[in-house]
Amino acid sequence: DSGVTQTPKHLITATGQRVTLRCSPRSGDLSVYWYQQSLDQGLQFLIHYYNGEERAKGNILERFSAQQFPDLHSELNLSSLELGDSALYFCASSADRGTNTEAFFGQGTRLTVV
Amino acid sequence: AQSVSQHNHHVILSEAASLELGCNYSYGGTVNLFWYVQYPGQHLQLLLKYFSGDPLVKGIKGFEAEFIKSKFSFNLRKPSVQWSDTAEYFCAVNDRFSGGYNKLIFGAGTRLAVHP
Repeated sequence: DSGVTQTPKHLITATGQRVTLRCSPRSGDLSVYWYQQSLDQGLQFLIHYYNGEERAKGNILERFSAQQFPDLHSELNLSSLELGDSALYFCASSADRGTNTEAFFGQGTRLTVV
Repeated sequence: AQSVSQHNHHVILSEAASLELGCNYSYGGTVNLFWYVQYPGQHLQLLLKYFSGDPLVKGIKGFEAEFIKSKFSFNLRKPSVQWSDTAEYFCAVNDRFSGGYNKLIFGAGTRLAVHP
């Protein structure tokens, strides 16, 4: 158990819909990173939040957005879903302080768009 | 743009065989390098990382990797694999100064199957 909790584990939804994926970081970790793992694109960095602020963006579509709340949990919102958005979405948390930079990944949310 | 290449997509070995998984990256700046492992049905776990110093890095479970700067390579090795090493292995890099220690560029992964 990495200490990072992602819910739900599985999600099946229709095209055009909107879903919210939730990530609870390890206790004390200020950083949350979101990644998408798909068969054709592999593991891709989406976005990074540190203590509530967006720090970096990767290959994140405009239909996707994220936020990190004061209690440090994060949500990834995916809207106007397309078949190609089917993937495994991981979040990782890290303290990102001093030498304490290891990322701990959650089990992921498997999204299937039908 | 940074990229990471893992040469072998699938590797099949017998127990006690030696393992070497190739990883090359393209980036001219200063990078941090990582190997992650994903056991079936589990989350990604860090095997080892290189930030600076000794280019031969030892990780968990008997794995090691060697950073060769001139070859832009960071190959993973294990002298004798076990059935429990069956997993998918990912090489990753990040730009040390781009912000976010874990804003990682991953390779496509190598699926390792170890037969008893």
